[in-house]
Amino acid sequence: DARVTQTPRHKVTEMGQEVTMRCQPILGHNTVFWYRQTMMQGLELLAYFRNRAPLDDSGMPKDRFSAEMPDATLATLKIQPSEPRDSAVYFCASGLGTINEQYFGPGTRLTVT
Amino acid sequence: AQSVTQPDIHITVSEGASLELRCNYSYGATPYLFWYVQSPGQGLQLLLKYFSGDTLVQGIKGFEAEFKRSQSSFNLRKPSVHWSDAAEYFCAVNRGGGADGLTFGKGTHLIIQP
Repeated sequence: DARVTQTPRHKVTEMGQEVTMRCQPILGHNTVFWYRQTMMQGLELLAYFRNRAPLDDSGMPKDRFSAEMPDATLATLKIQPSEPRDSAVYFCASGLGTINEQYFGPGTRLTVT
Repeated sequence: AQSVTQPDIHITVSEGASLELRCNYSYGATPYLFWYVQSPGQGLQLLLKYFSGDTLVQGIKGFEAEFKRSQSSFNLRKPSVHWSDAAEYFCAVNRGGGADGLTFGKGTHLIIQP
């Protein structure tokens, strides 16, 4: 069945390194979301796209985070430089249309040492 | 701004017993409400959603939820839990104003005891 895929599933990196996380939305879905999950803050929306155009990235630290959709089958979230406080699970979700259910990927667990 | 409160951080229920997980929301208009479940190390799976209409909605895995506007609540229920229901449960509301992202509660950790 159709699923959102995310790579890598786990990433351990040192502070200051660049991290790129990738997401393949469900084929045909035109909306892609990035969320971050931490113990302290829970699930937070970082950014989302519709038809590859960014609609809201207000939840993202602008100085180090960037999100893009190079094409309809790929969304990327980049952190440069990474910091220990970025350690979290990053989820991608996709959906179709507006205000509809979102289908989540398995997440990328990021550890920054 | 909208918010979601799940007042119970942990709930322990005996297998076969009924379950109710509480969710209260703060929202200025008609909300779009969701319940998701997360098993350890997994992503979130949608259990059910409420957009409009019948206030009692049925979901997957035998779950249901009731929207009560007067109480700003959207509680999740299941008449008889199974050990496989042990997981983290999240209530969510859309962010509103035409935005599609979700605002999540902090989650309720469900423990099933034999």
